[in-house]
Amino acid sequence: AQKITQTQPGMFVQEKEAVTLDCTYDTSDPSYGLFWYKQPSSGEMIFLIYQGSYDQQNATEGRYSLNFQKARKSANLVISASQLGDSAMYFCAMRERGDKIIFGKGTRLHILP
Amino acid sequence: ETGVTQSPTHLIKTRGQQVTLRCSSQSGHNTVSWYQQALGQGPQFIFQYYREEENGRGNFPPRFSGLQFPNYSSELNVNALELDDSALYLCASFSSYGYTFGSGTRLTVV
Repeated sequence: AQKITQTQPGMFVQEKEAVTLDCTYDTSDPSYGLFWYKQPSSGEMIFLIYQGSYDQQNATEGRYSLNFQKARKSANLVISASQLGDSAMYFCAMRERGDKIIFGKGTRLHILP
Repeated sequence: ETGVTQSPTHLIKTRGQQVTLRCSSQSGHNTVSWYQQALGQGPQFIFQYYREEENGRGNFPPRFSGLQFPNYSSELNVNALELDDSALYLCASFSSYGYTFGSGTRLTVV
């Protein structure tokens, strides 16, 4: 069974609009961490934001925020005021005990001028 | 500059050959993981090393092996290369919140 599900293979968004990238996860471990990474065409994985399972508040980092709904097991990424440079692949990932990270299949985001 | 350096950046090998990919991570980062990312897919966990010992492995055959050295560098070795081994190989070292990734090695097997 998939542990990380990203249901949007691709998205097109107008520049300056907000965008939400969906992610649901599956784990029975009460202690886990959720990540979002950006991967431009160059290939490197760029860390965007982290949410711990015990964190009370949703994580925010600049234009990025994570909409963490624990009961629904969802961890959507919200990008406000999108920019052309936001065009890339975006991966949701989860760390369980043992520090290994499991990735979803990704969402390709296209920002339109 | 992420602090995690991988070499080479690109590599072409012939089916059946062996390859060694290298990763240099940040000082003090005792955990290093390797991932395989096929085209259009998310990264898949290969294995992880902590203080020079393997402490986790994904669903990869034994011809994928690794080493971690005291100077925080590590290697991924793949024997008997197959066409399906063509992928981007990512190395990551563990930091406060998670992993810092290198830019990867793009391996093409022909």
